[in-house]
Parts: sequence; C-alpha cells; structure tokens
Amino acid sequence: AQSVTQLGSHVSVSEGALVLLRCNYSSSVPPYLFWYVQYPNQGLQLLLKYTSAATLVKGINGFEAEFKKSETSFHLTKPSAHMSDAAEYFCAVSDQGGSEKLVFGKGTKLTVNP
Amino acid sequence: IAGITQAPTSQILAAGRRMTLRCTQDMRHNAMYWYRQDLGLGLRLIHYSNTAGTTGKGEVPDGYSVSRANTDDFPLTLASAVPSQTSVYFCASSDGQGREQYFGPGTRLTVT
Repeated sequence: AQSVTQLGSHVSVSEGALVLLRCNYSSSVPPYLFWYVQYPNQGLQLLLKYTSAATLVKGINGFEAEFKKSETSFHLTKPSAHMSDAAEYFCAVSDQGGSEKLVFGKGTKLTVNP
Repeated sequence: IAGITQAPTSQILAAGRRMTLRCTQDMRHNAMYWYRQDLGLGLRLIHYSNTAGTTGKGEVPDGYSVSRANTDDFPLTLASAVPSQTSVYFCASSDGQGREQYFGPGTRLTVT
C-alpha cells in the first residue's frame, strides 16, 4: 500500500524567507501527487497536483513543487513566505491499483514569524 | 456553485447515541469519501464510494456506516457513539482517477 511521509510536523520561517516542506512517497510506479492547504477551522484546499506532465508544478499563492522520481519526493516550496501562508499543509498520493483514493501524510504546520 | 456541504457544523453528542453526519455535493462527482482528522494523525479514510450504489471500507471503518443511494448524498452514521469518535469529520468528492478531491468545511463532533 502507498504511504506518504512528511518530514517535520512543524516548520517555522520568517516572513520573506524560503518555505520548504518535504514529502516522500513509497510508490515504485509514478503516482498522482497533491499538496493541500488547510487554514484554521476550514476544509482542505488544493494547492497543486502532479499528474505526469511537467515535473515542476506551479500552484496557487506562489507555491510550486518538483516531482523527483529518483528520490520519490515531491517537496513544496515558495521563495518568499507571507504571513498569510501560515496554515497546515498536507501531501497526498493516489492509491495504487486504479483506485481514486488518496493517501495523506500527517501534515506539516507552517508558522510564519514577522 | 456550493461544492460540498456538510451538516451539522458542530455537535456535542452523548455516548451511546446514534448520529448521522450529512454530506451533499452538487458537482455530480462519482466518488465520495469520509475522513476523520485527529491531531498528529492527519486525515484517515473511514469509508468511500466509487459510484452511487457502492461503498467500501477505508483505514478506520469500525463504528461507522455509510450509504450511497444517489450521486449527491453520502451520509455517515455512528450507530452508538463512543468518546474515541470525537474528531473533525470531512467529506470529499472526486471525479476520476488522478483527479483532486474537493473537501467540505467539516463537522466537529464531540462525544461525551
């Protein structure tokens, strides 16, 4: 079965600094990959997704992620953090076998300090 | 377009009581899902439905049941609530393999 590992349950950055949130998956077959963001007391919102087109995927709010098959990674980055980026971020991978189910990582809470 | 609606927004429930969480989508998506979110555990799949009339068990199905009588509705029932079912519950839908899931706003359930 698929699994997703998000390194660091909490990440803290200064406003204007680089944001790097790490995600590794377990599949040996290139999967579909997603990053979601959750603001306090809200549901999850899609940031970006990889579906075997370009390996560098651009999403909303200035975020992007790069699919690296050799590293089974899909790390999320943003060049310059903004206070409004403070939220929890979830990486997800499609389950194998043609299923539409997603497997989610445990999440990384991003704090942005002024 | 409303997307996915969930009701109630929050609920405090006595242990042993029966409760149905409602979920409705207006996107005509085939697949729907129920997750629970607990601190430090991320989102865990409870039950899913690939299409109307079919359902399947997820990672943590015990104590929960679902039905999918039509495309739009996917209710989640707790037959006899227990305190360990205190959680935030999210409903989601998608339309095809590799497609993103769309999430509702969630239901915060406290079982006392």
